Order: sequence, then C-alpha cells, then structure tokens
Amino acid sequence: AQSVAQPEDQVNVAEGNPLTVKCTYSVSGNPYLFWYVQYPNRGLQFLLKYITGDNLVKGSYGFEAEFNKSQTSFHLKKPSALVSDSALYFCAVRDDGGGFKTIFGAGTRLFVKA
Amino acid sequence: DAGVIQSPRHEVTEMGQEVTLRCKPISGHNSLFWYRQTMMRGLELLIYFNNNVPIDDSGMPEDRFSAKMPNASFSTLKIQPSEPRDSAVYFCASSPSVGQGELFFGSGTQLSVL
Repeated sequence: AQSVAQPEDQVNVAEGNPLTVKCTYSVSGNPYLFWYVQYPNRGLQFLLKYITGDNLVKGSYGFEAEFNKSQTSFHLKKPSALVSDSALYFCAVRDDGGGFKTIFGAGTRLFVKA
Repeated sequence: DAGVIQSPRHEVTEMGQEVTLRCKPISGHNSLFWYRQTMMRGLELLIYFNNNVPIDDSGMPEDRFSAKMPNASFSTLKIQPSEPRDSAVYFCASSPSVGQGELFFGSGTQLSVL
C-alpha cells in the first residue's frame, strides 16, 4: 500500500528566506509524486509533479521539488519565501502499478512572516 | 473551461436526512475522485472512477455512503442517513490522463450535519 508522510505540522519562515517543506513516501512500484497548495476555503491547487527524468522539478509560483529515490523523499523548496506563500501544502503519491489512486499526506501549514 | 464544479457549496442538514453532493468534472477528463477533508483525518480518498466505472471504493466509510457516475459529465455522492460525524468538506477532483495526471479540484462542499 502507498503512503505519504509530512513530518512537520507547521513550518515558519521569514519573508525572503528559503523554505523547505518535507515529504517522504512509500510505494511498491515507481512513484508519481505531486505537491498541492490549499488556501482558506478553497480546493487544492496543483503546484508540480515528478513522473520520471530530472530529479529537480520546477513548478508554479517559483516552487521546486527534489526527488530522492534512496531517501524516498520529495521535499518542496523555494529560494525566497513570500508572505503570500502562507498556506497549507500537501504532498501526494500515486503508485505507477496501482491504478489511479492518489494518496495525500496530512499537510503542512506554511507561515511566512513579513 | 470553468473547472470542476461542485454543488452545493454549503449544506446544513439534520441527522437522519439524505444528502446528495454533485460534481461536474472538467470536460475530457476521464478520472474522477471524491475526497473528504476533516481536521482529524486530513484528506481521505473515498472513491474514484475511471471512464465512469468505479475502480476503488475501499475508502467509503460505510454503506450509508454511495457514489454514482452515470455519464462522463456528472457524479453524485449520497449519504443516507446522514450523521453528525459525516460533517466535513467533500471535494471532487478530476484528472485528464491515465496514471500520470495531476488532479483538478473543485471548491468543495462544506457539509454540516446537526
């Protein structure tokens, strides 16, 4: 069975500083990995995905994520945080041999202080 | 495209009543997912369809829950009878491609069962 872990409930960072939101996963086959963001009273919005190829994936709003197969991790990063990045971030995984089932982590709340 | 459309946005009902949530996926998307979001349990996958066929309903909590997708442009999630513990935000999401595609979420239905 596939699973996702986001070890931090909340991440606090000052505006202009780099941010990292952590994610580790477990699948039986090859992973398809995703990051989504949720703003208050809204649905989730897709940020980026890793399917295959380059381990560094670039996505929307200046976010990027690094796939590390040996550590089974897919951490979300941004070189310079903005106050508007404050939101709830979800990591998700789909097993390439498991159909279309996408499982989400518990979410990490990012708070960027001005 | 208008995106994934869910209705109603808010539903308040009394315990024991039937509740029907509706979803219109993005045209051309062949996979549809129903998720439930609560503070305690996070995002839970309830059921997903591919080409209108239910593929995995193992996340449906009880027989009180049922979902249908009569055609490619419409799906319903029904709770009968409803209970206070069903109170949550219910999201519908659709995906454009088999396996690798990201999910496009609707704005959700906030359900309150009194």
